[in-house]
Amino acid sequence: AQSVTQLDSQVPVFEEAPVELRCNYSSSVSVYLFWYVQYPNQGLQLLLKYLSGSTLVKGINGFEAEFNKSQTSFHLRKPSVHISDTAEYFCAVSATGTGRRALTFGSGTRLQVQP
Amino acid sequence: KAGVTQTPRYLIKTRGQQVTLSCSPISGHRSVSWYQQTPGQGLQFLFEYFSETQRNKGNFPGRFSGRQFSNSRSEMNVSTLELGDSALYLCASSGTEKNYGYTFGSGTRLTVV
Repeated sequence: AQSVTQLDSQVPVFEEAPVELRCNYSSSVSVYLFWYVQYPNQGLQLLLKYLSGSTLVKGINGFEAEFNKSQTSFHLRKPSVHISDTAEYFCAVSATGTGRRALTFGSGTRLQVQP
Repeated sequence: KAGVTQTPRYLIKTRGQQVTLSCSPISGHRSVSWYQQTPGQGLQFLFEYFSETQRNKGNFPGRFSGRQFSNSRSEMNVSTLELGDSALYLCASSGTEKNYGYTFGSGTRLTVV
């Protein structure tokens, strides 16, 4: 089984400042890692994913994340945020084996970008 | 290409009734998963279907069921609705192994009164 911990429930930040949203996971098997964003009254949009290869992953809207296997972390970063980045962000993992592909989500981090 | 389509977007039902939600995956995607999102429990996995077979199931009571058709469209059904079933139900589809990742629909907001 897997579990995901998002360490901050809310992160307030000023526009054009950098931001890091933290995610730690626990799993007894190899995992894939994902970050999703959810805007009000909408579904989840995939920001980026780590399947294999380079541990630094670049996604949409200027976001990137780094997979750290030894620390079991997958923190999301953006060097300069915009008002439009205000949303809820979810970190998720799934096992790599076929047939065990359920996503396990963290509890979410609400990013609040202030002018 | 068209995304994942869920219908209806909003639904109000009475306790004890049953409800069916529909999901059309991205063309060519054979895996469809369902998730429940509530303020208290967050996002929880319900089940996954692949080529009309349930491949994985979450920890939900038997009142929650689903199926997948030969065109990969999926439905989920909740019988004997309870107030606690009020939630946003999200459907997601996934393509090939090489580009693995789930694309989510906008969800169906179910309110049980």
